[in-house]
Amino acid sequence: DAKTTQPNSMESNEEEPVHLPCNHSTISGTDYIHWYRQLPSQGPEYVIHGLTSNVNNRMASLAIAEDRKSSTLILHRATLRDAAVYYCILPGGATNKLIFGTGTLLAVQP
Amino acid sequence: GAGVSQSPRYKVAKRGQDVALRCDPISGHVSLFWYQQALGQGPEFLTYFQNEAQLDKSGLPSDRFFAERPEGSVSTLKIQRTQQEDSAVYLCASSLTGLGRTEAFFGQGTRLTVV
Repeated sequence: DAKTTQPNSMESNEEEPVHLPCNHSTISGTDYIHWYRQLPSQGPEYVIHGLTSNVNNRMASLAIAEDRKSSTLILHRATLRDAAVYYCILPGGATNKLIFGTGTLLAVQP
Repeated sequence: GAGVSQSPRYKVAKRGQDVALRCDPISGHVSLFWYQQALGQGPEFLTYFQNEAQLDKSGLPSDRFFAERPEGSVSTLKIQRTQQEDSAVYLCASSLTGLGRTEAFFGQGTRLTVV
Protein backbone atom coordinates (compact mmCIF):
# COMPACT_ATOMS: atom_id res chain seq x y z
CA ASP A 1 0.00 0.00 0.00
CA ALA A 2 1.32 3.43 -0.93
CA LYS A 3 2.09 5.58 2.11
CA THR A 4 1.55 9.28 2.70
CA THR A 5 3.50 11.84 4.71
CA GLN A 6 1.88 14.88 6.29
CA PRO A 7 3.02 17.50 8.79
CA ASN A 8 1.87 16.71 12.32
CA SER A 9 0.25 20.08 12.85
CA MET A 10 -0.50 23.42 11.24
CA GLU A 11 -2.04 26.70 12.33
CA SER A 12 -4.19 29.13 10.45
CA ASN A 13 -6.09 32.29 11.11
CA GLU A 14 -9.81 32.48 10.58
CA GLU A 15 -10.92 33.56 7.10
CA GLU A 16 -7.48 32.96 5.62
CA PRO A 17 -6.68 30.21 3.09
CA VAL A 18 -5.04 27.03 4.34
CA HIS A 19 -2.81 24.76 2.28
CA LEU A 20 -2.36 21.28 3.73
CA PRO A 21 0.43 19.33 2.02
CA CYS A 22 0.77 15.59 1.51
CA ASN A 23 3.61 13.60 0.00
CA HIS A 24 2.96 10.23 -1.61
CA SER A 25 6.08 9.44 -3.60
CA THR A 26 5.26 5.72 -4.02
CA ILE A 27 1.83 6.32 -5.54
CA SER A 28 0.87 4.05 -8.42
CA GLY A 29 -0.85 5.11 -11.59
CA THR A 30 -4.26 3.87 -10.48
CA ASP A 31 -4.23 5.15 -6.89
CA TYR A 32 -6.83 7.76 -6.06
CA ILE A 33 -5.91 10.44 -3.53
CA HIS A 34 -8.51 10.86 -0.80
CA TRP A 35 -8.80 13.45 1.96
CA TYR A 36 -10.86 12.99 5.10
CA ARG A 37 -11.10 15.06 8.24
CA GLN A 38 -12.12 14.23 11.75
CA LEU A 39 -13.62 16.79 14.07
CA PRO A 40 -13.38 16.18 17.82
CA SER A 41 -15.62 13.35 19.03
CA GLN A 42 -16.94 12.60 15.54
CA GLY A 43 -16.34 9.98 12.89
CA PRO A 44 -14.14 10.86 9.90
CA GLU A 45 -15.79 12.94 7.20
CA TYR A 46 -15.03 12.77 3.50
CA VAL A 47 -13.59 15.99 2.08
CA ILE A 48 -12.48 15.38 -1.50
CA HIS A 49 -10.71 12.94 -3.78
CA GLY A 50 -9.00 12.95 -7.15
CA LEU A 51 -6.84 10.97 -9.54
CA THR A 52 -4.87 13.29 -11.79
CA SER A 53 -6.67 16.57 -12.33
CA ASN A 54 -7.26 19.24 -9.75
CA VAL A 55 -10.68 18.94 -8.12
CA ASN A 56 -13.03 21.41 -6.52
CA ASN A 57 -16.09 20.93 -4.39
CA ARG A 58 -18.07 22.98 -1.90
CA MET A 59 -15.72 22.09 0.93
CA ALA A 60 -12.27 22.41 -0.58
CA SER A 61 -9.96 22.15 -3.56
CA LEU A 62 -7.42 19.44 -4.25
CA ALA A 63 -4.30 20.35 -6.19
CA ILE A 64 -2.39 17.34 -7.52
CA ALA A 65 1.20 17.67 -8.69
CA GLU A 66 1.89 16.74 -12.28
CA ASP A 67 3.98 13.72 -11.23
CA ARG A 68 1.29 12.82 -8.64
CA LYS A 69 3.89 12.41 -5.92
CA SER A 70 2.34 15.13 -3.83
CA SER A 71 -0.95 16.92 -3.37
CA THR A 72 -2.34 19.88 -1.46
CA LEU A 73 -5.72 20.28 0.15
CA ILE A 74 -6.84 23.89 -0.01
CA LEU A 75 -9.41 25.38 2.32
CA HIS A 76 -10.17 28.73 0.77
CA ARG A 77 -11.36 30.50 3.91
CA ALA A 78 -10.73 28.71 7.16
CA THR A 79 -13.40 28.89 9.83
CA LEU A 80 -13.27 27.76 13.44
CA ARG A 81 -15.34 24.76 12.41
CA ASP A 82 -12.51 23.61 10.15
CA ALA A 83 -10.32 22.80 13.16
CA ALA A 84 -9.81 19.05 12.83
CA VAL A 85 -7.34 16.31 11.98
CA TYR A 86 -6.94 16.06 8.20
CA TYR A 87 -5.95 12.73 6.67
CA CYS A 88 -4.47 12.22 3.22
CA ILE A 89 -5.06 8.61 2.17
CA LEU A 90 -4.45 6.40 -0.83
CA PRO A 91 -7.03 3.59 -0.65
CA GLY A 92 -5.04 0.46 -1.11
CA GLY A 93 -4.98 -3.27 -1.46
CA ALA A 94 -7.48 -5.46 -3.18
CA THR A 95 -10.27 -3.97 -1.11
CA ASN A 96 -9.21 -0.32 -1.46
CA LYS A 97 -9.44 0.08 2.28
CA LEU A 98 -8.56 3.40 3.89
CA ILE A 99 -5.36 3.25 5.91
CA PHE A 100 -5.22 6.26 8.22
CA GLY A 101 -1.88 7.70 9.27
CA THR A 102 -1.46 10.33 11.97
CA GLY A 103 -2.81 13.15 9.81
CA THR A 104 -2.35 16.90 10.26
CA LEU A 105 -3.95 18.60 13.23
CA LEU A 106 -5.21 21.96 11.99
CA ALA A 107 -5.73 24.70 14.55
CA VAL A 108 -7.69 27.77 13.49
CA GLN A 109 -7.21 30.95 15.45
CA PRO A 110 -9.95 33.58 15.64
CA GLY B 1 -31.82 7.31 7.69
CA ALA B 2 -29.58 9.38 5.49
CA GLY B 3 -26.27 8.34 7.02
CA VAL B 4 -24.46 5.47 8.65
CA SER B 5 -25.99 4.66 12.00
CA GLN B 6 -24.19 2.89 14.84
CA SER B 7 -25.58 1.60 18.10
CA PRO B 8 -25.14 1.84 20.94
CA ARG B 9 -23.28 5.14 21.02
CA TYR B 10 -21.69 4.22 24.34
CA LYS B 11 -21.10 0.85 25.94
CA VAL B 12 -19.53 0.04 29.28
CA ALA B 13 -18.58 -3.60 29.68
CA LYS B 14 -17.05 -5.49 32.56
CA ARG B 15 -13.86 -7.30 31.71
CA GLY B 16 -14.72 -10.74 30.38
CA GLN B 17 -18.15 -9.72 29.11
CA ASP B 18 -19.19 -10.22 25.47
CA VAL B 19 -20.38 -7.19 23.49
CA ALA B 20 -22.10 -6.68 20.14
CA LEU B 21 -21.88 -3.45 18.20
CA ARG B 22 -24.28 -2.71 15.36
CA CYS B 23 -23.81 -0.80 12.13
CA ASP B 24 -26.59 0.24 9.74
CA PRO B 25 -24.91 1.36 6.52
CA ILE B 26 -26.42 3.62 3.91
CA SER B 27 -28.98 1.65 1.93
CA GLY B 28 -27.56 0.14 -1.23
CA HIS B 29 -23.93 0.52 -0.22
CA VAL B 30 -21.93 -2.51 -1.22
CA SER B 31 -18.81 -1.94 0.85
CA LEU B 32 -18.71 -1.88 4.64
CA PHE B 33 -15.67 -1.31 6.84
CA TRP B 34 -15.00 -1.51 10.58
CA TYR B 35 -12.29 0.51 12.28
CA GLN B 36 -10.96 0.77 15.83
CA GLN B 37 -9.76 4.12 17.12
CA ALA B 38 -7.84 4.36 20.37
CA LEU B 39 -7.66 7.68 22.18
CA GLY B 40 -5.39 10.13 20.37
CA GLN B 41 -4.74 7.78 17.45
CA GLY B 42 -6.00 7.53 13.89
CA PRO B 43 -8.57 4.86 13.00
CA GLU B 44 -7.13 1.38 12.50
CA PHE B 45 -8.67 -0.93 9.91
CA LEU B 46 -10.33 -4.07 11.26
CA THR B 47 -12.32 -5.74 8.52
CA TYR B 48 -14.08 -5.26 5.18
CA PHE B 49 -17.28 -6.65 3.65
CA GLN B 50 -18.40 -6.58 0.06
CA ASN B 51 -22.11 -7.28 0.36
CA GLU B 52 -22.25 -10.31 2.69
CA ALA B 53 -18.76 -11.55 1.92
CA GLN B 54 -16.02 -10.74 4.40
CA LEU B 55 -13.14 -10.20 2.02
CA ASP B 56 -10.54 -8.84 4.41
CA LYS B 57 -10.23 -9.47 8.13
CA SER B 58 -6.55 -8.83 8.37
CA GLY B 59 -6.97 -6.09 10.97
CA LEU B 60 -8.90 -8.06 13.56
CA PRO B 61 -6.54 -8.08 16.57
CA SER B 62 -7.45 -11.52 17.90
CA ASP B 63 -9.88 -14.38 17.54
CA ARG B 64 -12.03 -12.69 20.17
CA PHE B 65 -13.16 -10.28 17.46
CA PHE B 66 -15.79 -11.45 15.01
CA ALA B 67 -17.81 -9.53 12.41
CA GLU B 68 -20.72 -10.52 10.22
CA ARG B 69 -23.01 -9.03 7.63
CA PRO B 70 -25.34 -11.93 6.82
CA GLU B 71 -27.73 -10.20 4.42
CA GLY B 72 -25.37 -7.68 2.97
CA SER B 73 -26.79 -4.74 4.86
CA VAL B 74 -26.61 -4.47 8.68
CA SER B 75 -23.33 -5.57 10.21
CA THR B 76 -22.43 -6.62 13.74
CA LEU B 77 -19.00 -6.53 15.35
CA LYS B 78 -18.77 -8.90 18.28
CA ILE B 79 -16.04 -8.91 20.87
CA GLN B 80 -15.86 -11.88 23.21
CA ARG B 81 -14.34 -11.85 26.68
CA THR B 82 -13.56 -8.13 26.51
CA GLN B 83 -10.29 -6.86 27.92
CA GLN B 84 -9.23 -3.39 28.95
CA GLU B 85 -7.16 -2.91 25.82
CA ASP B 86 -10.36 -3.25 23.78
CA SER B 87 -11.48 0.14 25.09
CA ALA B 88 -11.74 2.36 22.02
CA VAL B 89 -14.17 3.95 19.61
CA TYR B 90 -15.39 1.50 16.99
CA LEU B 91 -16.24 3.12 13.68
CA CYS B 92 -18.25 1.75 10.80
CA ALA B 93 -18.09 3.11 7.25
CA SER B 94 -19.89 2.28 4.05
CA SER B 95 -19.38 3.16 0.42
CA LEU B 96 -21.37 2.63 -2.72
CA THR B 97 -18.65 0.67 -4.46
CA GLY B 98 -14.93 0.09 -4.04
CA LEU B 99 -13.24 2.99 -2.34
CA GLY B 100 -10.90 4.03 -5.06
CA ARG B 101 -13.53 5.93 -6.97
CA THR B 102 -16.13 6.66 -4.31
CA GLU B 103 -16.06 8.16 -0.87
CA ALA B 104 -16.73 6.44 2.41
CA PHE B 105 -19.36 7.60 4.87
CA PHE B 106 -18.61 7.05 8.54
CA GLY B 107 -20.91 6.64 11.48
CA GLN B 108 -20.48 8.47 14.78
CA GLY B 109 -18.91 5.41 16.33
CA THR B 110 -19.51 3.34 19.44
CA ARG B 111 -17.33 4.21 22.40
CA LEU B 112 -16.54 1.02 24.29
CA THR B 113 -15.13 1.23 27.79
CA VAL B 114 -14.04 -1.97 29.46
CA VAL B 115 -13.80 -1.75 33.25
